[in-house]
Amino acid sequence: NAGVTQTPKFRVLKTGQSMTLLCAQDMNHEYMYWYRQDPGMGLRLIHYSVGEGTTAKGEVPDGYNVSRLKKQNFLLGLESAAPSQTSVYFCASSTTGLDGYTFGSGTRLTVV
Amino acid sequence: AQRVTQPEKLLSVFKGAPVELKCNYSYSGSPELFWYVQYSRQRLQLLLRHISRESIKGFTADLNKGETSFHLKKPFAQEEDSAMYYCALSGPGNQFYFGTGTSLTVIP
Repeated sequence: NAGVTQTPKFRVLKTGQSMTLLCAQDMNHEYMYWYRQDPGMGLRLIHYSVGEGTTAKGEVPDGYNVSRLKKQNFLLGLESAAPSQTSVYFCASSTTGLDGYTFGSGTRLTVV
Repeated sequence: AQRVTQPEKLLSVFKGAPVELKCNYSYSGSPELFWYVQYSRQRLQLLLRHISRESIKGFTADLNKGETSFHLKKPFAQEEDSAMYYCALSGPGNQFYFGTGTSLTVIP
């Protein structure tokens, strides 16, 4: 039972490059989320999805795009990376708000 | 608007001493509150949720609606409790609003 799997675990990008972070869950969860974690700022929601084919903006969506073509996958894209996007990115999934989240192990992204 | 405040960024206690990590919230509806823990270089894990009123690893948290607080407590801290702790509120659309976290260090 893998839970929530994020790939890659580490990545270094040059300013202006693009990349996609993949989140996969095998728990048949409806809800999926992307957060970024920065020192002193906690976790901030980037985008989320309440079901296959749906996406919505969170607190800090600028510079990111997402897609949920399959229920088990939630992709986070950076079209033109900026140094301000250097962060640790966490994916999470849940069935309902009462159950809490299951988190992935994170992706450490550095933009130089 | 939903908001979670953890006033302490850093907290140090001696092993065996009581520990309390503070969490205050603002929410117009009936809140669902959680504590998450992140050990060094590990993913965030659900520690406890107020709805189940459970005790995990000796930690408890009581929801005080009058003071809008959900403080995390443990009577005797252990070295393995050293970690980052996040208080979280479940809001509309099952979004979680996290506090900025408290880094707990238990001194041997």
